[in-house]
Amino acid sequence: DVILTQSPLSLPVTLGQPASISCRSSQSLVYNDGNTYLTWFQQRPGQSPRRLIYKVSNRDSGVPDRFSGSGSGTDFTLTISRVEAEDVGVYYCMQGTHWPPLTFGGGTKVEIK
Amino acid sequence: EMQLLESGGGLVQPGGSLRLSCATSGFTFNTCALTWLRQPLGKGLEWVSVISGGSDRTEYADSVKGRFTISRDNSKNTVYLQMNSLRVDDTAVYYCAADQTAPGTFFPDLWGQGILVTVSS
Repeated sequence: DVILTQSPLSLPVTLGQPASISCRSSQSLVYNDGNTYLTWFQQRPGQSPRRLIYKVSNRDSGVPDRFSGSGSGTDFTLTISRVEAEDVGVYYCMQGTHWPPLTFGGGTKVEIK
Repeated sequence: EMQLLESGGGLVQPGGSLRLSCATSGFTFNTCALTWLRQPLGKGLEWVSVISGGSDRTEYADSVKGRFTISRDNSKNTVYLQMNSLRVDDTAVYYCAADQTAPGTFFPDLWGQGILVTVSS
């Protein structure tokens, strides 16, 4: 199974400041169709996960443009350009290239300082 | 508006069974892969099972293979998860999710609100 390692585990951020979360894969996530199936989810406290970014860098409809995804191969990053209070929660990366099973990173908790 | 609503959770003894249902609306159900996932309280996400739009393909996590069965009724826009031989470590919030990426993909893109399953004596 593909192992996704997220860092940091916890990310205290000042409102208005940027934040970055890393997701590293145990193997390349490039699929044989040329796509890279790396997804980012946000889970706010008490809510179900919500997809933010798919195929590395494609932002979902309704997701603020302060969220962006980047990376390739085995190294990926979710960046929040200016953190707002509503961004508090846990962020997960997920890979869908080598499945089954789909696998998730362990999560990064974003909190306000 | 696309919606998924899980039901059927609750408390069950080890070795018992439960059937979860996930009723959906607001999207083309019969061409969409549906996934079950779970999350132990306070912990991370685990993929459990997926079924294709036409039910011709199903996949399971090793942790549930042989105990859980996924199915769907396209006339009712509903997906099910039959859980047998339940164990204490199956305790979690269970989510169903619909694929919205592209035809033929099997990703959990849009999630329901989740339902708690507790396995305890």
